[in-house]
Amino acid sequence: AQTVTQSQPEMSVQEAETVTLSCTYDTSESDYYLFWYKQPPSRQMILVIRQEAYKQQNATENRFSVNFQKAAKSFSLKISDSQLGDAAMYFCAYRRFSARQLTFGSGTQLTVLP
Amino acid sequence: NAGVTQTPKFQVLKTGQSMTLQCAQDMNHEYMSWYRQDPGMGLRLIHYSVGAGITDQGEVPNGYNVSRSTTEDFPLRLLSAAPSQTSVYFCASSVLADAFGELFFGEGSRLTVL
Repeated sequence: AQTVTQSQPEMSVQEAETVTLSCTYDTSESDYYLFWYKQPPSRQMILVIRQEAYKQQNATENRFSVNFQKAAKSFSLKISDSQLGDAAMYFCAYRRFSARQLTFGSGTQLTVLP
Repeated sequence: NAGVTQTPKFQVLKTGQSMTLQCAQDMNHEYMSWYRQDPGMGLRLIHYSVGAGITDQGEVPNGYNVSRSTTEDFPLRLLSAAPSQTSVYFCASSVLADAFGELFFGEGSRLTVL
């Protein structure tokens, strides 16, 4: 079974600074997808960024980028120029290529300090 | 733009009572699923469906029942509520034809079982 580990339960960052959230996963599959979801206090889960395992190029979405290390099974999220609105719980998630079910990590609570 | 709608948003039950959490989506998504979110454990899959008349178990199906009579609706039934089912429940849906299959989440339903 696949597992996703987020080893940082809480992180904090100063406004306008950069922060990196860590995620590792375990799988025997070669094709899969990885995701970062954001959950603000409103509870709504919002997709931040996604990565296909067969693509070596790291995904980027504006201030959000990932460092995908397939051999190390690592998928970290970098948030640049942090804003107060980035404060939320962030979940890393894994999905097998042919499936729709997501396996989530336990989450990292990010605080942005003014 | 309704997206995925869950009702109720909050519910308090007594042990042994039954109830149904409703989920409806208006995006014609084939795939629908239910997750529960508990502190420190991320989201865990309860049941999912790939189309009307088809359902399957996820990681934590015990104590829950689902059916899929239409494409739009995917209710989750608690047959005899237990305190261990106190959680926040999320319904999510996606298109099957899209390889990425981004999951769209509802706003969650907080259930407390006394």
